[in-house]
Amino acid sequence: AQKITQTQPGMFVQEKEAVTLDCTYDTSDPSYGLFWYKQPSSGEMIFLIYQGSYDQQNATEGRYSLNFQKARKSANLVISASQLGDSAMYFCAMREAETSGSRLTFGEGTQLTVNP
Amino acid sequence: NAGVMQNPRHLVRRRGQEARLRCSPMKGHSHVYWYRQLPEEGLKFMVYLQKENIIDESGMPKERFSAEFPKEGPSILRIQQVVRGDSAAYFCASSPGLLNYEWQYFGPGTRLTVT
Repeated sequence: AQKITQTQPGMFVQEKEAVTLDCTYDTSDPSYGLFWYKQPSSGEMIFLIYQGSYDQQNATEGRYSLNFQKARKSANLVISASQLGDSAMYFCAMREAETSGSRLTFGEGTQLTVNP
Repeated sequence: NAGVMQNPRHLVRRRGQEARLRCSPMKGHSHVYWYRQLPEEGLKFMVYLQKENIIDESGMPKERFSAEFPKEGPSILRIQQVVRGDSAAYFCASSPGLLNYEWQYFGPGTRLTVT
């Protein structure tokens, strides 16, 4: 079974609008962390936001927020007020404290295109 | 305040040659992780090292691949007798190794092309 599933290979959004990128995960580990990374065409991996499994509130970082629904095992990334520079590949990743130790498991990614 | 450094950024090798990829973690970080990204795919874990110690190599191919993180100097990912299927981006990440510390900081990656 896939540990991280990103069902949207590609997404399009108009500049200044909000967009939600989906991520569902599968784990039986009670302690885990969820991450979102951005990979622009230049190739580097840029950390965006983190949510711990025991965090009571959804994480927010500027224009990025994480819609964490623990019972549904989903951790969707919401980008508000999209900018042209947001066009990139976005990866959801998970760290399972007991099962996989320190390594991250990544989804296949969603290619976001912001249209002017 | 240098981040994670990887070199070279681009590496071209012919089939059968050896590839050596280097990673210098952030200052103060003693844990290094290597990931591979095949074209059009997400990153896949390869190996996790501390200084002079391999902690988890469950993602490493059984043959031709090896990794080290010596007491002094960068971490090295070595691929012997490269084949076309080894063409990928190889990312290194580092962390301080503190208990329950979640973040891994990624380097810019090395793009390996096997011709």
